[in-house]
Amino acid sequence: DIQMTQSPSSLSASVGDRVTITCRASQSISSYLNWYQQKPGKAPKVLIYAAPSLQSGVPSRFSGSGSGTDFTLTISSLQPEDFATYYCQQSYSTPWTFGQGTKVEIK
Amino acid sequence: QVQLVQSGAEVKKPGASVKVSCKASGYTFISYAMHWVRQAPGQRLEWMGWINVGNGDTKYSQKFQGRVTITRETSASTVYMELSSLRSEDTAAYYCARVSWVAVPGTRHYWVDPWGQGTLVTVSS
Repeated sequence: DIQMTQSPSSLSASVGDRVTITCRASQSISSYLNWYQQKPGKAPKVLIYAAPSLQSGVPSRFSGSGSGTDFTLTISSLQPEDFATYYCQQSYSTPWTFGQGTKVEIK
Repeated sequence: QVQLVQSGAEVKKPGASVKVSCKASGYTFISYAMHWVRQAPGQRLEWMGWINVGNGDTKYSQKFQGRVTITRETSASTVYMELSSLRSEDTAAYYCARVSWVAVPGTRHYWVDPWGQGTLVTVSS
């Protein structure tokens, strides 16, 4: 199975900050990488698919980059509604696997 | 709009089975595969398997092979996930999620969205 490792596991940031979350795959996954946002008690929702592609309806302050084994999710200017947990997920091969999550908290 | 509505919370004893339903609406049911993902308390998301809703073919994570069965009832636009031989470690929220994809030269990229609201399954003696 492909292991997905995110860093950091949690971070504290202020509204307006630029936030970067990284995700590393245990082997090359090309650009088969998706990012999800999950708020407490809710189902995840997709933000980014196929590494850099923004899901329709998702604010443009979210962006994704990377290919191979190293990927990044960036929030250019953190908003109050962005405080949540973020997961990367590889769809290169089954079983699909997720990172352990990065919790973004209010500083 | 696309909507997935799951069945309600369940409490089961160790060794029992649970069957969770996921009713789809707002799109052509047989045209999209459905995946199941679970999340134990405080843990990462864990992919369980998927079903080709059009022909019923399934693929399961090796971790759950032999214990999980995903089926569909096309007349009811509903997918089911049954997990047997439950143990305490199976206590989790279980989600159905519809596949989406984009075609690029030579391949397709897949992800899941939207998701159902989740069904909490508690396994306790």
